[in-house]
This record gives sequence, structure tokens and C-alpha cells, in this order.
Amino acid sequence: KAGVTQTPRYLIKTRGQQVTLSCSPISGHRSVSWYQQTPGQGLQFLFEYFSETQRNKGNFPGRFSGRQFSNSRSEMNVSTLELGDSALYLCASARQETQYFGPGTRLLVL
Amino acid sequence: DAKTTQPPSMDCAEGRAANLPCNHSTISGNEYVYWYRQIHSQGPQYIIHGLKNNETNEMASLIITEDRKSSTLILPHATLRDTAVYYCIVRVAGSNYQLIWGAGTKLIIKP
Repeated sequence: KAGVTQTPRYLIKTRGQQVTLSCSPISGHRSVSWYQQTPGQGLQFLFEYFSETQRNKGNFPGRFSGRQFSNSRSEMNVSTLELGDSALYLCASARQETQYFGPGTRLLVL
Repeated sequence: DAKTTQPPSMDCAEGRAANLPCNHSTISGNEYVYWYRQIHSQGPQYIIHGLKNNETNEMASLIITEDRKSSTLILPHATLRDTAVYYCIVRVAGSNYQLIWGAGTKLIIKP
């Protein structure tokens, strides 16, 4: 069974730009969550989608948004990028009681 | 969700069993204990989870105390590739996945 895939794996942007990251969950998984990981803050929850609905949202500004499609694939968007948005962005899909993570997208904002 | 407490770092000799402790003294009766690990710059890898009983799979064993206030992850024969940060997390069964991640334990396997 294929794992969670994320594209792109690496990305370089400049301040003020926007970025869209993509996540394809494991087949059959309807829950997709997004996390931001930085050296200073560790793993922080961004939001979770289930059956195309945002089920929960972490404490991040409105510049961070996401959506989920009918095939459970998900995208997250960050607008007006700031230097502090440089991080590893992780997607995870879940079914029943277990959540599995993708390899992440490393975003560098210059 | 309850918070967990883990030692910041541990060493273990290659080939020996690595025992990683986790304290979750405020855990509720319907909260699972999960263990993940993260090798540098990769996505966290699911290891094992349990509710009340001890669990074992091909990667590790999870020992949960009878009062459920603490647990131990056991890697039976540690290899250099087990060097990683190990996270212990609790989550209410059937709930959403807004998980609270602590700093984890940095496990270093030494040859």
C-alpha cells in the first residue's frame, strides 16, 4: 500500500509570495491533518480535514488555509509568506485509530 | 488531551534493548498512548499504540502500567538506524487528530 505522499518536497519562496502544498493520503483514509515543524516550536498542529470539512484548527493566523477534495487529497496554502514560515510542513492521514505521516515539504522563505 | 513527560535524551548500546519511558499521569480512561519516532528531517513514523494492555508488533513493545499513568516503549535489539527522536502522545479514542506533541526523547544508539 502506498504511503502518504507530499509535493513538492522542497520549495524556495520569497517574502510576500504565496505557496500551495499538496498531500495525497493513503487510499481509504478520510482524515488529513497538517503540521508545521520548526526547530524552535517543534511539531504544531495546523488543521485537520475529514470528508472535505475542516474538523479542527490550530492556533495559526488566517494566512494559513487548507482544503480537502472529494478524493481526500488535500492542499494547504500560505499567503503573504514571512521569513518565520520557513519550516517542514507535514501531512498525515488517518483511518480508525492510527495516523501516518508523509515525508514533508521543506519550505524556505527568503 | 493529557500531556506527556519524557526524558530529553537517552543512550543505548547497539544490540541491547532500548527502554524509553513516558509519564502521562493525567491520562483518561478512553485515551490511547501512541509512540512515533522521527529520524532527522523525515516525517514521523508510527511505531505502536495501546489503551490498557501491553502491545507488541514487529518494531517494538509497549508496556503500560496498571494505573496507566506511565508507559515504556521497548526496542528489543537496538540498531544504529533506531537513532531518532521518539514521541509519546495521548489521544482520546475516536476523537480528532489535534495532537499535542512534546519535545520527545532523543535516543542515540552507540556502536
